[in-house]
Amino acid sequence: DTGVSQDPRHKITKRGQNVTFRCDPISEHNRLYWYRQTLGQGPEFLTYFQNEAQLEKSRLLSDRFSAERPKGSFSTLEIQRTEQGDSAMYLCASRPKVRVNTEAFFGQGTRLTVV
Amino acid sequence: DAKTTQPNSMESNEEEPVHLPCNHSTISGTDYIHWYRQLPSQGPEYVIHGLTSNVNNRMASLAIAEDRKSSTLILHRATLRDAAVYYCILSMNYGGATNKLIFGTGTLLAVQP
Repeated sequence: DTGVSQDPRHKITKRGQNVTFRCDPISEHNRLYWYRQTLGQGPEFLTYFQNEAQLEKSRLLSDRFSAERPKGSFSTLEIQRTEQGDSAMYLCASRPKVRVNTEAFFGQGTRLTVV
Repeated sequence: DAKTTQPNSMESNEEEPVHLPCNHSTISGTDYIHWYRQLPSQGPEYVIHGLTSNVNNRMASLAIAEDRKSSTLILHRATLRDAAVYYCILSMNYGGATNKLIFGTGTLLAVQP
């Protein structure tokens, strides 16, 4: 197992288009998080899944954003009608179930540029 | 969510120890102190975490004040590869919580050869 995998690594899209990102967490990690990071800022929490259930969504996650985690494995983050302000790095992280306060493992991120 | 305060930037020389401070005066009894670092164009990487006692691992040491209102990440011998943004984060520890990590802006560490 090579860690958290995100695809694609880079995405350039025109304003108004829809985009979808994928995250494959570490096997058997039942907790999955999405974050967004803009230049010069720390990552901002977007949403959290425990298994297939989406248990928390940030106010940053507008109705143009939707995330899923079917069957509690990989997750997708979709942005509809993209805007220039959506340009950012989108990060995925996973954590194992066993202990509550374990380390989180982050993927390399998907860098989105909206032109 | 309890907040942390870190210096915006610090400089160190290669092969010298680095002490990165963090203040967290509103920490609660159940909050763990986590440190992550982020290299350019990479996702954050776990460094170390602790609750009350000082912690050591292969990457660093974490010194936690007795009142837990501050902590210090210690890199024993800085290398050029340690140049990164270092984030000090409080993570709640109770069942049912998301235990999400709330990042601040971190400390940008520059390491001079």
